[in-house]
Amino acid sequence: NAGVTQTPKFQVLKTGQSMTLQCAQDMNHNSMYWYRQDPGMGLRLIYYSASEGTTDKGEVPNGYNVSRLNKREFSLRLESAAPSQTSVYFCASSEVADTQYFGPGTRLTVL
Amino acid sequence: GENVEQHPSTLSVQEGDSAVIKCTYSDSASNYFPWYKQELGKGPQLIIDIRSNVGEKKDQRIAVTLNKTAKHFSLHITETQPEDSAVYFCAVPNFNKFYFGSGTKLNVKP
Repeated sequence: NAGVTQTPKFQVLKTGQSMTLQCAQDMNHNSMYWYRQDPGMGLRLIYYSASEGTTDKGEVPNGYNVSRLNKREFSLRLESAAPSQTSVYFCASSEVADTQYFGPGTRLTVL
Repeated sequence: GENVEQHPSTLSVQEGDSAVIKCTYSDSASNYFPWYKQELGKGPQLIIDIRSNVGEKKDQRIAVTLNKTAKHFSLHITETQPEDSAVYFCAVPNFNKFYFGSGTKLNVKP
């Protein structure tokens, strides 16, 4: 039982490059979330998926897109990376409005 | 959206002392309020939560108190140990979303 897994763990991009962050959970949760964490700002919600087949914007969705591929997988895509997107990205899963289980994070640097 | 304020932002205590972190929120009607602990280089992990309209929940050295009328809840850690050093976050659910406090960095000095 791996819980929530994320790939990659680290990534360095140049401005304008694109990439996809992958997330998978094996707890059969309906809801999945993408957060970014910046120093002194806690966790801010980028996008979430309350159930398979649905996605909704969070607090800071600009510059990102998501895909809920199936019940297990939820990916986050940066189409044209900017230095302001340098951050640590966390994926989480839960039942609706219940305990969230977080992955280990992806540390992204955009030069 | 929800406005969540967490205080203090940093807290330094001597080993064995108690630590208290407070979280206030603006709108949520939820009865579920969790606290998360984040160690360096890792994702946040739930340490305690409360499901109630008002009251307290205790788990060994950790307790959470909730006052829904005043819209605040607090994390209490007694007999602190060096391994309690971490960043702690409160979270407030509002419909399908969670809103997190900005975090408290707790340093327990041996």
